[in-house]
Amino acid sequence: DAGVIQSPRHEVTEMGQEVTLRCKPISGHNSLFWYRQTMMRGLELLIYFNNNVPIDDSGMPEDRFSAKMPNASFSTLKIQPSEPRDSAVYFCASSSNTGNTIYFGEGSWLTVV
Amino acid sequence: GQSLEQPSEVTAVEGAIVQINCTYQTSGFYGLSWYQQHDGGAPTFLSYNALDGLEETGRFSSFLSRSDSYGYLLLQELQMKDSASYFCAVRNAGNMLTFGGGTRLMVKP
Repeated sequence: DAGVIQSPRHEVTEMGQEVTLRCKPISGHNSLFWYRQTMMRGLELLIYFNNNVPIDDSGMPEDRFSAKMPNASFSTLKIQPSEPRDSAVYFCASSSNTGNTIYFGEGSWLTVV
Repeated sequence: GQSLEQPSEVTAVEGAIVQINCTYQTSGFYGLSWYQQHDGGAPTFLSYNALDGLEETGRFSSFLSRSDSYGYLLLQELQMKDSASYFCAVRNAGNMLTFGGGTRLMVKP
């Protein structure tokens, strides 16, 4: 079975550029999460969708960040404009409403120079 | 708010037993999860405790005491491949997980 699929795996971009990260959750999962991981701040929840609806976006750092889930099989996290402090690994994860486990993708490694 | 505390680093030798503790402060607690993450990899699920007591899965066990807001992960018969970071995470409503800072386990020969 395919797990959570993220793209790109690695991205290096210049400050000020727009970055779009993509995620395909596990088929049949109702919940989707975007996490950010850095050495300083650890694993932070950015936003949580349930049935394609954003439920909690209190972790989104600022207006430069936005996330969408237009359908059950696709989500994007966009940063515009990007800044060096956005450099991190961004994980997408999904779970079913009946389970207690969330499954992570392999992450998107973002470097903003 | 929510907070989780776990040691930042633990070192043990191959074949030994190690316990990684986690204390938490949270509202709306549903359960405590443990995840393993190797360098450069994604967090992967190890165990989940919703009720007090010990859950055993092979060489790994996890314990929860809700009254003490405390849990631990026990790793037995340590192997070199167990060197990784281990995260406790509190599950809130809707399967949202809030993670601790992680414990880096180094297993030495």
